[in-house]
This record gives sequence, structure tokens and C-alpha cells, in this order.
Amino acid sequence: GEDVEQSLFLSVREGDSSVINCTYTDSSSTYLYWYKQEPGAGLQLLTYIFSNMDMKQDQRLTVLLNKKDKHLSLRIADTQTGDSAIYFCAVPYGQNFVFGPGTRLSVLP
Amino acid sequence: DGGITQSPKYLFRKEGQNVTLSCEQNLNHDAMYWYRQDPGQGLRLIYYSQIVNDFQKGDIAEGYSVSREKKESFPLTVTSAQKNPTAFYLCASSTGTLTYEQYFGPGTRLTVT
Repeated sequence: GEDVEQSLFLSVREGDSSVINCTYTDSSSTYLYWYKQEPGAGLQLLTYIFSNMDMKQDQRLTVLLNKKDKHLSLRIADTQTGDSAIYFCAVPYGQNFVFGPGTRLSVLP
Repeated sequence: DGGITQSPKYLFRKEGQNVTLSCEQNLNHDAMYWYRQDPGQGLRLIYYSQIVNDFQKGDIAEGYSVSREKKESFPLTVTSAQKNPTAFYLCASSTGTLTYEQYFGPGTRLTVT
């Protein structure tokens, strides 16, 4: 089956860039997704990238996809304290999704 | 406003009791999902439903049951057979179209003592 991995923790200084990485095993996914979860809340869709793209930029967010290495990354420019949350990558698999374990981003003042 | 609602936000039960978590959506989505999230862990799929009156087991269905009598509603029952029911439960829905990203409710935190 599909296996999705992420590093569990990331700390950055306010104003720096954050890079959250994700690797997956099934290369047939058409879209790959990034979700954000704030404490005690549900997941919020941040952005997604189509599998025939290498990069997608949306304001402070940049998604990079390396299909050969099955590696997905989310870059947050000018990271703010409000960006502190858990970030999940999600990969469609069959009729469902497989979510990574989530990366907890801590933004230090 | 369109969205997914889950109620209640917090739920407390005694061990041995069944409990039902509510999930309602007004997004006209065909597919609905239930996930369980434990501290420091990702999401694990419990059950999903692609269409009314049909549902399938996910990765951790044991001790849970669902129904899908209406398109808008997908309640989850946590039975006494579930050995570790204390967790955060998330409901989601999707259109089932090409992008089919999932939209999530706010979650229900269930504590069983």
C-alpha cells in the first residue's frame, strides 16, 4: 500500500522560511495535497499540486514536487506565529487518502 | 454557509457504553469519511462512504459502526468493543470529482473513563 512519511517536528524563527518535506511510495497519484491543523481543530486544505507540475506558488506558499524521487515539499515564506500548526501531506490512494504523520511547526519569536 | 458540522465538540462516556458521534454536511458531497487521530499521530481511516446506503471499512474499523441513510449525514457509533476509544475523531467529505480534496469538520474529542 501507500506509505507517506514526514519529519515530525520543525522549529523556525519568525520571518524565516519553513520547509516541510514529505515522501511517498505510490507514483500514480494525480494530485497531492497539503493540509494545516491548528490545535483542537479539523484539517484545513492549504494547497495542492497536480502531478504533472514541478512547482506551484500561492502567495507565501510554494509547493515543489519531485516525481522521480517521490518527494513533495511545502515552503512557507516569511513564517509568522500564526503559521504554528501541524502540517499534513496527503496522497490519494484508491478511493481514499493516505495522510502523513504530520509535521509540527513551531515558530519562535 | 456551506460546511461540515460535528457535534458535540467534547464527549465523555463511561467504559462499556456505546456512543454516537454526529457528522452533517451541506456541501452536497457524495463521499464522507471518518478518521481517528491520536496524540502525535496522523489520521487513520475508520469508515468511508462513497454513496448513500453504502459504506466500506477503513484501516481500523473494529469496534466502530456507521450508517449512511442520507447524503448529508454519516454518524459514527463507537461501541463498547472498541478497546481504546479515547481519541479525536474527524469527519470529512469530498465531491469525488477529479481533484476530490477532502473538507474536514472541527472534530469531536471523545474521552472514555
